Amino acid sequence: DSGVTQTPKHLITATGQRVTLRCSPRSGDLSVYWYQQSLDQGLQFLIQYYNGEERAKGNILERFSAQQFPDLHSELNLSSLELGDSALYFCASSVDSYTQYFGPGTRLTVL
Amino acid sequence: QKEVEQDPGPLSVPEGAIVSLNCTYSNSAFQYFMWYRQYSRKGPELLMYTYSSGNKEDGRFTAQVDKSSKYISLFIRDSQPSDSATYLCAMSLSQGNLIFGKGTKLSVKP
Repeated sequence: DSGVTQTPKHLITATGQRVTLRCSPRSGDLSVYWYQQSLDQGLQFLIQYYNGEERAKGNILERFSAQQFPDLHSELNLSSLELGDSALYFCASSVDSYTQYFGPGTRLTVL
Repeated sequence: QKEVEQDPGPLSVPEGAIVSLNCTYSNSAFQYFMWYRQYSRKGPELLMYTYSSGNKEDGRFTAQVDKSSKYISLFIRDSQPSDSATYLCAMSLSQGNLIFGKGTKLSVKP
């Protein structure tokens, strides 16, 4: 158990809908990262927050957004969902930026 | 050319074998090199990390980084069926977001 929690474990939704994924980092970790894992693209970095502030952006679509709250938990919002958004979404947290600890992931299925 | 290349396998070895997993990369600015293990339907688990070039050993695992060749390796000694998983290499610059290889699927047969 990495200490990073993610909810929900599974999400099944329809195209055009909006969903919210939630992540709680390890105790003491100020950084939260979001990654998307698909069969063809592998693990891709989406966005990083550090102590409530956006720190870095990767290949995140404009339809996706994230935020980190004062209690350090983070949410990833995915809107106008398309079939191609079906993937595993992982959250990771770290204290030193390179030793990142991953949560169990949320499996999103868009029908 | 992708930033990080990793042979997807699958790689199948008998129990007790020495396993060698490798990645190559193109960005010479990478400073931190990590290996993650991912079991099916689980999150990646950090195995080892190395800063810059050199070797690092942890139990049955040894990580090697050769920055001159832009090549990193993970060796697993006395492999066990419980080592069967997908192994992902990852690298980063100083700011932290990781660039992953696509992973090598390893199967260790009893």
